Amino acid sequence: NAGVTQTPKFRVLKTGQSMTLLCAQDMNHEYMYWYRQDPGMGLRLIHYSVGEGTTAKGEVPDGYNVSRLKKQNFLLGLESAAPSQTSVYFCASSYLPAGQGVFRRNEQFFGPGTRLTVL
Amino acid sequence: GQQLNQSPQSMFIQEGEDVSMNCTSSSIFNTWLWYKQDPGEGPVLLIALYKAGELTSNGRLTAQFGITRKDSFLNISASIPSDVGIYFCAGQLDQGAQKLVFGQGTRLTINP
Repeated sequence: NAGVTQTPKFRVLKTGQSMTLLCAQDMNHEYMYWYRQDPGMGLRLIHYSVGEGTTAKGEVPDGYNVSRLKKQNFLLGLESAAPSQTSVYFCASSYLPAGQGVFRRNEQFFGPGTRLTVL
Repeated sequence: GQQLNQSPQSMFIQEGEDVSMNCTSSSIFNTWLWYKQDPGEGPVLLIALYKAGELTSNGRLTAQFGITRKDSFLNISASIPSDVGIYFCAGQLDQGAQKLVFGQGTRLTINP
């Protein structure tokens, strides 16, 4: 299993350009997440998905859009990149264990990250 | 949003020393997770805690879920060079969507 993979690994954009980051997981996980990591701020949730065809906003969703057309893929889009979006972006996924009742354990597995610079 | 206060922010220690770090919050969490991030890599899960008071070990690492459910601790015994990295705590607050809140991280540097 490859686990969680992300493409591309690096990208440099000019202000106003658009791009899509791709996340893929081969663990049949239900839940997928996009985070950004900035120095001294830990990881902040951008958007997440609890299943194919569903998406929801996280802590810092402005300027980003997402889609989950297939269970294994979660795309993060920047329609008009801004310098404030310079960051390292991580995708994560987690499973939905059977028999856990209302409370479900959330052990998220992360991809290697995409380093994005917006000039 | 929810905040986790992780301390210390950085540590500089000698190889062989023990390490302690912690996370605190004003909110009650149902799950505490500890991750390690190596340079240029994504975070890797080290230990997961699910019950207040739980003490769990993973090799030289030991983590505890605080009794108040508002804090957690990670200890590393007899540190070695490969322990270098950034350690993050994370708490699960939302039972439905399984969202995690992360601490700011503790950067560990080891002098050989």
